[in-house]
Amino acid sequence: GAVVSQHPSWVICKSGTSVKIECRSLDFQATTMFWYRQFPKQSLMLMATSNEGSKATYEQGVEKDKFLINHASLTLSTLTVTSAHPEDSSFYICSARGGVDTSGSPYEQYFGPGTRLTVT
Amino acid sequence: GNSVTQMEGPVTLSEEAFLTINCTYTATGYPSLFWYVQYPGEGLQLLLKATKADDKGSNKGFEATYRKETTSFHLEKGSVQVSDSAVYFCAPGGATNKLIFGTGTLLAVQP
Repeated sequence: GAVVSQHPSWVICKSGTSVKIECRSLDFQATTMFWYRQFPKQSLMLMATSNEGSKATYEQGVEKDKFLINHASLTLSTLTVTSAHPEDSSFYICSARGGVDTSGSPYEQYFGPGTRLTVT
Repeated sequence: GNSVTQMEGPVTLSEEAFLTINCTYTATGYPSLFWYVQYPGEGLQLLLKATKADDKGSNKGFEATYRKETTSFHLEKGSVQVSDSAVYFCAPGGATNKLIFGTGTLLAVQP
């Protein structure tokens, strides 16, 4: 199946600094990418949806100025956590999707392996 | 908005036991329904899906049937293996084709 990579797989940063996480679709063009946050032993919480070439759509309660998302090409989306604080420590997961089929059903989302962010 | 309620874990079974993980959802319209699996140290993978009522998704011996009347999509497998140990997520597709994930159910299969 399609492969999605994330870089880095883990990162430790100091409070107040910014960190960028990359999500790449390696063998398909992703018209839509999703960013999730997963807390320990909890489900994935959708943070935002990004479509190539347009601004990301953020879920309620997610600060768009805190979590900057850029989807500049059909194979790359980035999430930048600005002015990170310890409460931003989490597991961030991206997924990529190629579109919808003719019946309107969404193509499968392919998930990256996740990035573990620790803010000290 | 859409929501999903998933059976809490952990579920611990012996090898070759029968597995059921319950999943019910609330949604406007008729969403596509998905089960994702997350093996230790890996990303989520699509296990199976169903796109309309009475459809049965199946893969790797797992099955789930889209039950509109009970708004359920329970995951079943007749004989689990140690290699099935993972976290399983039920996820209806939302109105804009976003996935709404359940809390996940940890399955531990003992030899």
